[in-house]
Amino acid sequence: GQSLEQPSEVTAVEGAIVQINCTYQTSGFYGLSWYQQHDGGAPTFLSYNALDGLEETGRFSSFLSRSDSYGYLLLQELQMKDSASYFCAVMGNSNYQLIWGAGTKLIIKP
Amino acid sequence: EPEVTQTPSHQVTQMGQEVILRCVPISNHLYFYWYRQILGQKVEFLVSFYNNEISEKSEIFDDQFSVERPDGSNFTLKIRSTKLEDSAMYFCASSPDTSSYEQYFGPGTRLTVT
Repeated sequence: GQSLEQPSEVTAVEGAIVQINCTYQTSGFYGLSWYQQHDGGAPTFLSYNALDGLEETGRFSSFLSRSDSYGYLLLQELQMKDSASYFCAVMGNSNYQLIWGAGTKLIIKP
Repeated sequence: EPEVTQTPSHQVTQMGQEVILRCVPISNHLYFYWYRQILGQKVEFLVSFYNNEISEKSEIFDDQFSVERPDGSNFTLKIRSTKLEDSAMYFCASSPDTSSYEQYFGPGTRLTVT
């Protein structure tokens, strides 16, 4: 089977840096994606890693280590609007299907 | 900016009834998807669709479900005989190419089965 694990909840302070980890088990692997979802909203794409290393997009960065089946999303200069759930998702056996983690609820305190 | 749209935003139906959820993907996208999300839980893949046929489907997508692209713009999900456990938010998504990692999601249809 295919599975992804990420923490259920992370709390951080406005202006700080937070890292959300994701480990995965899949029989195949095309890449790891990250999506953000605000309460009641639709998921929105943040970042994707197909190769090892760090991808940076503004305040958000994503890292992948294929040998460790591990990735993380790094959010810098946290703002209150970053309070949301963050999902890692893997294209595993097929590039037509995204398998999702259970999501990490990010709580930001002033 | 182009976006995926879905109708209705909320559908209430009785158990055993058929429902059709509608989506208009982004116009130049070629790959279409349906997902569902039970309240507070993870997003679950249902089906992907390309070139007028299903590319991939999950175990959830059983004979009660079907998808169709009836014309050049709409993409529909039909549930033939709804069950209480079908109550969820249903998201449609589209992507421009075979790299399905960047998918654009619609606002969702909340389906309530009573």
